[in-house]
Amino acid sequence: KAGVTQTPRYLIKTRGQQVTLSCSPISGHRSVSWYQQTPGQGLQFLFEYFSETQRNKGNFPGRFSGRQFSNSRSEMNVSTLELGDSALYLCASSLAGRTSGNTGELFFGEGSRLTVL
Amino acid sequence: SQQGEEDPQALSIQEGENATMNCSYKTSINNLQWYRQNSGRGLVHLILIRSNEREKHSGRLRVTLDTSKKSSSLLITASRAADTASYFCATAVSGTYKYIFGTGTRLKVLA
Repeated sequence: KAGVTQTPRYLIKTRGQQVTLSCSPISGHRSVSWYQQTPGQGLQFLFEYFSETQRNKGNFPGRFSGRQFSNSRSEMNVSTLELGDSALYLCASSLAGRTSGNTGELFFGEGSRLTVL
Repeated sequence: SQQGEEDPQALSIQEGENATMNCSYKTSINNLQWYRQNSGRGLVHLILIRSNEREKHSGRLRVTLDTSKKSSSLLITASRAADTASYFCATAVSGTYKYIFGTGTRLKVLA
């Protein structure tokens, strides 16, 4: 069974540009969540999607957005990039269902490392 | 900040020794999980302990949970060089799928 796939693995952008990152979850997983990891702030929750609906959102500005497609693949977009957006962006999928309380194991991809110059 | 705290921040031990790391969290939980991250890579799930459990074992891993103190500990016995990694605890905010990760413990096992 293929794991979580994130693309691209590495990318370099300049301030003011925008970026789109992609995540393909494990087959059968309908919940996809995104995290930002930086040395200073650690792992920070961005958002979680289930069946194309955003269920939870972290404390990030509106420049950070995401979406999920009918095949559960997800993308996140960061517009008007700032230097502080340089980070490892991690996607995770899980078997979490429709109802709350079913918070089980997260399966992570290898991440997309974004450098903003 | 809702972020959990882990201590120590860094730990260096000799191969064969035991490693203990601790995690404190702030919210009510259904379960607490531990993850490992090798340098710059994705996280790998190690073990999950439910809020009604006090201790759980998996191979060389032993996890304890004290919900009254909102704390957990991870013990790795007979450590190996391959255990060198960062270790994170994670909890889900009750009623949501928002996971809060601890600050992590960087473990270095010297051969």
